[in-house]
Amino acid sequence: DTGVSQDPRHKITKRGQNVTFRCDPISEHNRLYWYRQTLGQGPEFLTYFQNEAQLEKSRLLSDRFSAERPKGSFSTLEIQRTEQGDSAMYLCASSSGHLRADTQYFGPGTRLTVL
Amino acid sequence: DAKTTQPNSMESNEEEPVHLPCNHSTISGTDYIHWYRQLPSQGPEYVIHGLTSNVNNRMASLAIAEDRKSSTLILHRATLRDAAVYYCILRDDGETSGSRLTFGEGTQLTVNP
Repeated sequence: DTGVSQDPRHKITKRGQNVTFRCDPISEHNRLYWYRQTLGQGPEFLTYFQNEAQLEKSRLLSDRFSAERPKGSFSTLEIQRTEQGDSAMYLCASSSGHLRADTQYFGPGTRLTVL
Repeated sequence: DAKTTQPNSMESNEEEPVHLPCNHSTISGTDYIHWYRQLPSQGPEYVIHGLTSNVNNRMASLAIAEDRKSSTLILHRATLRDAAVYYCILRDDGETSGSRLTFGEGTQLTVNP
């Protein structure tokens, strides 16, 4: 198992464009999480899935953000009409879901720059 | 989630022990104490967690105060690869656990050769 992978690793886009990121969790991990991290800050929770069900969304997840996990495996995070304030590192994590306070394993992140 | 307080930065010398403190005076009875670290240009990685008793694993030790209002992450022999931001996080073992990790700003550890 190679761990959590994210694609792309870097994305530069112009303001107003749509972008989509992909996360592949560790195989057989039931839970998948998205976080956002800006420079000098700790990661901030965006949303999480238990299998294909999106169970929790942060207030940070505005209407321009949408996340899916269609078959309970990989997930996508789409940002529509990007703004400069969306520039950040987007981190994905997965966990087994077998324990309540289970360990989350993070991917390397996708760094988004909005010009 | 209950709040944690950590120093912004700490320095250590290579091969010396490092004690990273965390205060969590509002911790509840079901909160686990988790530590993650984030190396430069990487996602966070799990280090250790505990509830009441001190814990040891291959990466570190976690010493938890008797009243649970503070804890200390101990790296027994710091290496240059331990230079990272260390986050102390409380996680509830209740129905909503298994969801978010609430990160603070963490402690930036610098290891000098």
